[in-house]
Amino acid sequence: AQSVTQLDSHVSVSEGTPVLLRCNYSSSYSPSLFWYVQHPNKGLQLLLKYTSAATLVKGINGFEAEFKKSETSFHLTKPSAHMSDAAEYFCVVSHNTDKLIFGTGTRLQVFP
Amino acid sequence: DAGITQSPRHKVTETGTPVTLRCHQTENHRYMYWYRQDPGHGLRLIHYSYGVKDTDKGEVSDGYSVSRSKTEDFLLTLESATSSQTSVYFCAISEGRFMNTEAFFGQGTRLTVV
Repeated sequence: AQSVTQLDSHVSVSEGTPVLLRCNYSSSYSPSLFWYVQHPNKGLQLLLKYTSAATLVKGINGFEAEFKKSETSFHLTKPSAHMSDAAEYFCVVSHNTDKLIFGTGTRLQVFP
Repeated sequence: DAGITQSPRHKVTETGTPVTLRCHQTENHRYMYWYRQDPGHGLRLIHYSYGVKDTDKGEVSDGYSVSRSKTEDFLLTLESATSSQTSVYFCAISEGRFMNTEAFFGQGTRLTVV
């Protein structure tokens, strides 16, 4: 069975400092992995996706994530946080199925 | 932005009444999904459709039904609304399975059952 665990429900950083949002997955097969972002009262927007190509995936707005099979992880990082990055972030897994399995979300706060 | 429209965007209804939420797409994507979002749970799949008249259950389908009579429309019906169905509902669409594609989400419908 597929599942995804986001290790932190809340993360707080200062503007200009690095961001790390952690995600571990469980999947019996080679998974597809995604990070989505949701700004307050908005829908979800795709940040980046991994689908068995390069293990380091670059996304929009300076975010990137590294697929580590040995650690079953897909952590999201950004070198320097911006105030506009404050949002909720979802790690999502699928393995060539019709369905996406969502993590419970990590709320990122960015302080000036 | 992907052409997905959810209606209504906000609704307050009474316990025991039926409610229908509509998702309309202009992308001609094969797959359509209904999710609900609740604090501490992320998004959970209610039902999805892989073609006209082809639907299947998700993980939280009890108390919900769906219909898809046209490619562009996917309806979610709460047969008899309960307070536990107070939530934000998101429609999503995709071209196919998720190995090579992604899901696009609507803006959400906030439903309150009183």
